[in-house]
Amino acid sequence: SQTIHQWPATLVQPVGSPLSLECTVEGTSNPNLYWYRQAAGRGLQLLFYSVGIGQISSEVPQNLSASRPQDRQFILSSKKLLLSDSGFYLCAWSVTRASYEQYFGPGTRLTVT
Amino acid sequence: AQTVTQSQPEMSVQEAETVTLSCTYDTSESDYYLFWYKQPPSRQMILVIRQEAYKQQNATENRFSVNFQKAAKSFSLKISDSQLGDAAMYFCAYEGYYGGSQGNLIFGKGTKLSVKP
Repeated sequence: SQTIHQWPATLVQPVGSPLSLECTVEGTSNPNLYWYRQAAGRGLQLLFYSVGIGQISSEVPQNLSASRPQDRQFILSSKKLLLSDSGFYLCAWSVTRASYEQYFGPGTRLTVT
Repeated sequence: AQTVTQSQPEMSVQEAETVTLSCTYDTSESDYYLFWYKQPPSRQMILVIRQEAYKQQNATENRFSVNFQKAAKSFSLKISDSQLGDAAMYFCAYEGYYGGSQGNLIFGKGTKLSVKP
């Protein structure tokens, strides 16, 4: 069966520090991968998606970047965190990009102080 | 651009009763998918039910069913025989069928459902 992991589960970082959140998927090949952010009291906002290794599309211009160094690994990064980067970050995967369920990871709660 | 609106920030239901959560959306596309996701306190997003816009029949999954009104762009979720475990945030989401809209889930802001014993 397929599983999706995210780490760390929680993170507290000072403003201006770098960020690296990791997401890995097991039990499937060539998944489509997604990064979402959920700010307090709001729905999810798609940040990045990837259809293959090295292929990253950005939905929202911002302080963050994403990379996919391996087929089942998706990394969310920042060189310098802003207070506004605080939130709950969810990684998800799907079989294809259309109509199929997206399976979400357990998420990372990021607090920028 | 597509938008999803959930007009009920919070709802409450008595255990074993029925509750309906509202969702409206705006799109110029004719083919698309609609979803209801549940986010319990653990924060893990779980798919509750999905509906293809080209299907006239409303989707049903056990105690969960939808009322899909394509012309009105309405997609409500009905939970029957509510259980304590149904307490969660519920998100309505839209996904386009073609091109760049594929895979890009657009979420509403959510409805927090409380279940009273």
